[in-house]
Amino acid sequence: EAGVAQSPRYKIIEKRQSVAFWCNPISGHATLYWYQQILGQGPKLLIQFQNNGVVDDSQLPKDRFSAERLKGVDSTLKIQPAKLEDSAVYLCASSFLAGQETQYFGPGTRLLVL
Amino acid sequence: GQQLNQSPQSMFIQEGEDVSMNCTSSSIFNTWLWYKQDPGEGPVLLIALYKAGELTSNGRLTAQFGITRKDSFLNISASIPSDVGIYFCAGRNYNNNDMRFGAGTRLTVKP
Repeated sequence: EAGVAQSPRYKIIEKRQSVAFWCNPISGHATLYWYQQILGQGPKLLIQFQNNGVVDDSQLPKDRFSAERLKGVDSTLKIQPAKLEDSAVYLCASSFLAGQETQYFGPGTRLLVL
Repeated sequence: GQQLNQSPQSMFIQEGEDVSMNCTSSSIFNTWLWYKQDPGEGPVLLIALYKAGELTSNGRLTAQFGITRKDSFLNISASIPSDVGIYFCAGRNYNNNDMRFGAGTRLTVKP
């Protein structure tokens, strides 16, 4: 079974530029999560989708971050404009359902904002 | 939300030794999870705990869900070099969709 796919794996941009990350979850997984992991910290949930609907985006900085999952499969996370403090690894995870279902993480996209 | 308090921050041990790490919170969780993260990869679930007092094993790993529902520990017995990595605890509440991670314990195993 293929795992969660993410691209790109690395991205370097200058502050105030825009960037987008892509995630393809495990086939059949209804729930998709985006996490931000700053160096030396654990992942922090940014947004959770159930199919193509948003379940929780309470920790998403909506002035600059946006995410969509239009067809309920793959998803895109965008930052516009980026700040220095956005430098982090952005992890995508998916699970068959919400609740107690195991979350499977992708390898992440490492973003450096200069 | 505030991250969980995980300790120790790092550990350097000799191959074959046992290791213990723990996680505490000011909030109650109804699920505790332990993950391992290797460099350049996402976290991988090791053990999930669903009931206060529960003690669960997965090979050389043993984890417990604290009675107060505010803490959990993970033990690794007879460590081997491939145990090297960062171990994260996570607490989860399904009623309010709250999930928080600890800052991680970086484990180094010397052959």
